[in-house]
This record gives sequence, C-alpha cells and structure tokens, in this order.
Amino acid sequence: AQSVTQLGSHVSVSEGALVLLRCNYSSSVPPYLFWYVQYPNQGLQLLLKYTSAATLVKGINGFEAEFKKSETSFHLTKPSAHMSDAAEYFCAVSDPGAGSYQLTFGKGTKLSVIP
Amino acid sequence: NAGVTQTPKFQVLKTGQSMTLQCAQDMNHEYMSWYRQDPGMGLRLIHYSVGAGITDQGEVPNGYNVSRSTTEDFPLRLLSAAPSQTSVYFCASSYLGRGSSYEQYFGPGTRLTVT
Repeated sequence: AQSVTQLGSHVSVSEGALVLLRCNYSSSVPPYLFWYVQYPNQGLQLLLKYTSAATLVKGINGFEAEFKKSETSFHLTKPSAHMSDAAEYFCAVSDPGAGSYQLTFGKGTKLSVIP
Repeated sequence: NAGVTQTPKFQVLKTGQSMTLQCAQDMNHEYMSWYRQDPGMGLRLIHYSVGAGITDQGEVPNGYNVSRSTTEDFPLRLLSAAPSQTSVYFCASSYLGRGSSYEQYFGPGTRLTVT
C-alpha cells in the first residue's frame, strides 16, 4: 500500500525566503508523485507532477520538486516566497505500475508568508 | 470547458435528512471520485468510478452512496445525514487512457454542515 507523509502541518517563512515543504512516500513500485495547492475556500490545483521522466520537476508559480528515490522524497521548493504563496499544499502519490490510478494524499502543510 | 463543477456550494442539513451532492465534468474523463476534507486529515477517498456503471468504495464509504449512469455525472448521496458528515466535499476526475499520468482535476467543493 502506498502512503505519504508531509513533515510539518504548518510552515512559516518570511517574504523573499526559501520555501521548503517536505514530502516522503512509501510505495512498492516506482510511483507517480504530485503536489497540489489549495487557496482558501477553493478546490485543489495541480502545481507539478513527477511521472518517471526528469527527476527535477518545474511547476507553476516558480515551484519545483526533486524526486529522490534513495530518500523516498519529493520535497517542494521555491527560492523566494511571495505573499500570494500562502495556501495549503498537499503531496500525493499513485502507483500506476501496480495498476492503481488512485491518489493517496498527505495530510497537508499550511504555508504562511510573513511580510 | 467548464472542467469539474459541483453544486451546491454550501448546504446545511438537519440530522437524519438526505441529500445529493452533484458533480459533473465535461472532459470525457473515465475516472471520477469523491473526497471529504477535514482539518488535519487531508483528503480521504469516499467512492470512485472508472466508467459509467462501475463504482467502488474508497477509504471512508459509510453513510454515502454513488452511482454513475453517464460519463459526465457522478452524484454523491447522503442517506441519513449525521453531524460526523460535516465536511468539505470535493469531486475530482481523471483521464485513464494510455500515457495518462492520472492527474486529477478538482471541483470547487461543497461545504456541508449537519446540525
């Protein structure tokens, strides 16, 4: 069975500082990995995805994530936080190699950006 | 394309009442799913469908029914509402064809309160 752990339910950064949101997964086969963002009172929007091509994935709004198989991690980063980045971020995994297209989500990390 | 649409946006029910949350997508996606989102719990899968006439249970199916008579629509029925079903409900859809990354597209959500 696949699972996702997001370290830190709440992360605060200063405007202009590095954003680092952590995600570790467990999966019996090479997974597909996703980061979604949820702004207040809205649905989830895909930020980026890893589907076994390049291990460094660039997404929207300046975010990127690196797939590290040896560490079973897929951490999300952004060099310089902006006030508009304040939102909740969810990491998710699927196991297409096992025939499973269902997404398993982490519990989410709420990002606050301090002016 | 409207993407994934959900109605209503907000709903208040009394304990024991029944209702149907509507979900529709216009992307011809085979896969549709319902999640509930509760604080600190992330998204939990209620029911899902891989095509018209095919549905299955997710992680938290009790108290909910679904059916899929068309590709476009996937309603979620609450049979006898309970306060524990107070939550935000999201519908999502995904393409399952060859080469798909199983990226899910989310609706804007329905905020349900059961008193």
